[in-house]
Amino acid sequence: DGGITQSPKYLFRKEGQNVTLSCEQNLNHDAMYWYRQDPGQGLRLIYYSQIVNDFQKGDIAEGYSVSREKKESFPLTVTSAQKNPTAFYLCASTPVVGTPNTGELFFGEGSRLTVL
Amino acid sequence: QQQVKQSPQSLIVQKGGISIINCAYENTAFDYFPWYQQFPGKGPALLIAIRPDVSEKKEGRFTISFNKSAKQFSLHIMDSQPGDSATYFCAASWAGNMLTFGGGTRLMVKP
Repeated sequence: DGGITQSPKYLFRKEGQNVTLSCEQNLNHDAMYWYRQDPGQGLRLIYYSQIVNDFQKGDIAEGYSVSREKKESFPLTVTSAQKNPTAFYLCASTPVVGTPNTGELFFGEGSRLTVL
Repeated sequence: QQQVKQSPQSLIVQKGGISIINCAYENTAFDYFPWYQQFPGKGPALLIAIRPDVSEKKEGRFTISFNKSAKQFSLHIMDSQPGDSATYFCAASWAGNMLTFGGGTRLMVKP
């Protein structure tokens, strides 16, 4: 089945450790996104990438890093510089080139990170 | 300003009732207004969306009402069911497929 796969679903980290969240899509979508979800704050954009080997900072990029070496993969690293990393992280994708704007992002099932 | 404000934060409705969630925006460059539904432990999924040149769109029990002059739009869920219990996000699209999301509304439909 086509879709977006995020792993791990749950992750625990000690303070001071970097962790990497995986996001893989087999939808052949050009654009990929990382969002952070906190209660009452909606979804806030961390990073996005419209094309391989290129990515842009979103609204809350500090303390995070990404890479886009392959079209289907967009891993997110939560670094020790992120002051409040405990959250639900969502990866999404959408076709971009040659498609009309539908307002639709396709989301994975999320990764819940807890810092101990 | 890329902000989208959503209210209420939480909503309790009896089965068969109407659920209403409201959103407001400032940026007139937004060009598409989707609503997303999210069940616990899952990612959001597109529910229904509207363009700013349309005042209303209906899909089954779900209706978006759009007021361009007031910069407001709302989601109405008719005949609400317990299975509709979820978190709902309004959003606004800009620059192609970039989305700004509202803060979310947690809906509970009591049987």
